[in-house]
Amino acid sequence: ETGVTQTPRHLVMGMTNKKSLKCEQHLGHNAMYWYKQSAKKPLELMFVYSLEERVENNSVPSRFSPECPNSSHLFLHLHTLQPEDSALYLCASSQGTWGEQFFGPGTRLTVL
Amino acid sequence: AQSVSQHNHHVILSEAASLELGCNYSYGGTVNLFWYVQYPGQHLQLLLKYFSGDPLVKGIKGFEAEFIKSKFSFNLRKPSVQWSDTAEYFCAVNAWANDMRFGAGTRLTVKP
Repeated sequence: ETGVTQTPRHLVMGMTNKKSLKCEQHLGHNAMYWYKQSAKKPLELMFVYSLEERVENNSVPSRFSPECPNSSHLFLHLHTLQPEDSALYLCASSQGTWGEQFFGPGTRLTVL
Repeated sequence: AQSVSQHNHHVILSEAASLELGCNYSYGGTVNLFWYVQYPGQHLQLLLKYFSGDPLVKGIKGFEAEFIKSKFSFNLRKPSVQWSDTAEYFCAVNAWANDMRFGAGTRLTVKP
């Protein structure tokens, strides 16, 4: 399998649930990203990992917790989310943090 | 902080019409510039990019973009659109490592 994959593709959760989003890249890249895509708003960069170290956290609430166990995998752990957190969550990867990013298909999250 | 503006939220064209989508950014230093496209039901993919050199950049599917440094602009163009170009187009600017900023996107509808 090639490119960037994300699972699950759709997720519905209650505000008290705990769930995790998974991202895997098969491109040999050394940087990975989480973005939030809401309707009619710019993509919001949430987290950046470079060489498995978190290098950016864009003032994201603590109910979102990223994890990067190795250069190919990235997780986003979710707990006690709010309805306004409903959005498409995109994962991306790149070689270095200056260049082209390759995106996964996203996880469509609905918080009830 | 840098920002990216896409002036048109929704553009409707007939097939064979010419396309120009505007993109302006706020940062005055060295930047890497990108246009991404998101076809219905598909993930974001790169159309073209500018890092340095010739400010007129050619991308896939007949798209091109021109970097005008004095105007802080990176407009996307295509001389003759097709129905299959119906998609959402995102301009992105990377002025700092770990900090890719996206515009809000322009939805293009091409009528057959």
